[in-house]
Parts: sequence; C-alpha cells; structure tokens
Amino acid sequence: QVQLVQSGAEVKKPGASVKVSCKASGYTFVDYFVHWVRQAPGQGLEWMGRISPFSGVRNFADNFQGRLTMTTDRSVSTAYMELTSLKSDDTSVYYCAREGIRGNYRRHFDFWGQGTLVAVSS
Amino acid sequence: EVVLTQSPGTVSLSPGERATLSCRASQSVSSDSLVWYQQKPGQAPRLLLYATSNRATGIPDRFSGSGSETDFTLTISRLEPEDFALYYCQHFDSSPGWTFGQGTKVEVK
Repeated sequence: QVQLVQSGAEVKKPGASVKVSCKASGYTFVDYFVHWVRQAPGQGLEWMGRISPFSGVRNFADNFQGRLTMTTDRSVSTAYMELTSLKSDDTSVYYCAREGIRGNYRRHFDFWGQGTLVAVSS
Repeated sequence: EVVLTQSPGTVSLSPGERATLSCRASQSVSSDSLVWYQQKPGQAPRLLLYATSNRATGIPDRFSGSGSETDFTLTISRLEPEDFALYYCQHFDSSPGWTFGQGTKVEVK
C-alpha cells in the first residue's frame, strides 16, 4: 500500500532553516510528483511547491520562491523540503503529498504524509 | 489568480441529514482541476473527489460532486458520524499553481 512517512517535529529559532523528509513506499517513486503543503495552526492549506523525482522539475508557489528547496533521493525513495530564513509565521504542519494519476486526470493529491510540525520560536 | 470561496464557513447538521457545501471560483475554471478533500482534527487531508465528481478509491457513494465554471458543490447525501470534519476544495491553474478554499466545517448540531 502507498505510504508517505515524514520525519519528526522540529523546533527552530527565527532565521534558521529546517529540512523535512518524506519517505515513499508502495509505489514507483519516480513516476509521481511530490508536493509540499503547509497548514498553520487553525488555518487552511497552503501549497508550497512540487518536484518530479524522475526529472527533477520543480514548481514553486510565489510565496516561497527563493526560500524553499525541494530535492529527492531516488535511491531511498525520499523527498526533502528545506525552508530557510524561518519566521514565527512559518510555524505550521508541513505535509508531503503525492500527485495522483487517474486516467487523464492529475492535479489531485491522492496520498499524504502524516505531517511534520515545525515550530519557530525564539 | 483564481480565488476559491467556500460557503458556509460552518454548517451544523444532524446525522442522517444532507450536507451541501459550496465552492465558488472568482473566474471560470476547468472542472477537470476541481478537487475536494476531507480533513479531521490532527490528521492529514484525505482525497474525496477529483475532477469535480470522481470519487477517490474507497470513498463511499454518499459523497458526490457537481458543478462547472465558477460554481461547484460537494454533497453528502446522509451524514454519518465519521463525516463531521473540515472540507476543502482545491483548484489547479498554470499560475499560481494549486490553491485551496478556506474550508467548510461540518459540525454536529
């Protein structure tokens, strides 16, 4: 069965960076884009970006250009998200998600990681 | 940029009742890119419907979706206890990428 398992919670100081991992299993890793989505406490969902493990192609939401790095390691079927210059309002749960493929339909996220809480506080 | 507005913000219903959730786009969007998710407290979102009306694997048929252009609807025909949750619509466009509505909470009356 498809699973995305993320790394554990992090506490960071303002200005620091955080790197979250997302280990995929149960499917061919290179065949599906991996997305990153975050959710601030009590707030809605915010798309951050996506990466193709096959080609390395990346797309970024405007809000994260220059601060977000997405990588993959195909040897261990793992995607990584690194966010730099952290601020208190970056405190959120960060999710990885797989972009599904159903016939001609894509653009939906069919499997999600369990989420990683990143708390930014001085 | 397309903005998705969900209404109502919160709806209070009883088990067995019908829930009708709205997602309105600020301009016409492709129905192929309109998606619905369910989220329960402390959990990741779960895919319900993709391309407006296609149920994801394992989603019961009491969940249905409809709509086109700017108006989309998620209907839960008869609420089960496990359906009380937050619901988000989502859309993709080439720019700025993927956007979500602000969510509708379905709570127990």
